[in-house]
Amino acid sequence: DAGITQSPRHKVTETGTPVTLRCHQTENHRYMYWYRQDPGHGLRLIHYSYGVKDTDKGEVSDGYSVSRSKTEDFLLTLESATSSQTSVYFCAISESDRDRVAFFGQGTRLTVV
Amino acid sequence: AQKITQTQPGMFVQEKEAVTLDCTYDTSDQSYGLFWYKQPSSGEMIFLIYQGSYDEQNATEGRYSLNFQKARKSANLVISASQLGDSAMYFCAMVPKWGGSYIPTFGRGTSLIVHP
Repeated sequence: DAGITQSPRHKVTETGTPVTLRCHQTENHRYMYWYRQDPGHGLRLIHYSYGVKDTDKGEVSDGYSVSRSKTEDFLLTLESATSSQTSVYFCAISESDRDRVAFFGQGTRLTVV
Repeated sequence: AQKITQTQPGMFVQEKEAVTLDCTYDTSDQSYGLFWYKQPSSGEMIFLIYQGSYDEQNATEGRYSLNFQKARKSANLVISASQLGDSAMYFCAMVPKWGGSYIPTFGRGTSLIVHP
């Protein structure tokens, strides 16, 4: 199994509070991604990173920011959590060459009340 | 832009029978990879099988095979001899192999239920 760890695994937070989710990898993969999964929408890309300090927006980036100061860590921050951000968040990693298979973390279930 | 379409929200199959899960894609890239993932009720995303756009043979991994028809832009997953443990959500995904930003794009998924 690819070495990807997401923390926390579960979180309940109040509307308006900031929240940071962490993704940590031990594979030294270049690419890291944050997705959210909602019923009827599948997985939608929030932000991704193609190297240290190199990030870009995905399909549903509003209300989210990311940072990658080290190869192994990719942080997702909800600046001011809203109920619409209640979701399951997945981190994924992939290499820059070969088959580009993305391996996923276990997911973080976030509930904003 | 890439797009993945999975037209079957839900599928049912009898144990030990084969089942095909449909996936069509749209891309202007000449080279790309196609993937299938399984998501059981426990929630993790499990990589199943990969097909490169220039691979001449269809990919197989145990009971999983990918029926790749490039001209039709389809990449259907075939599960042979279904087992109860195959009950899960299945996602088709695509990523360009050269150029672009290597962003996997996912379909909305197909829920498979295997009946005993």
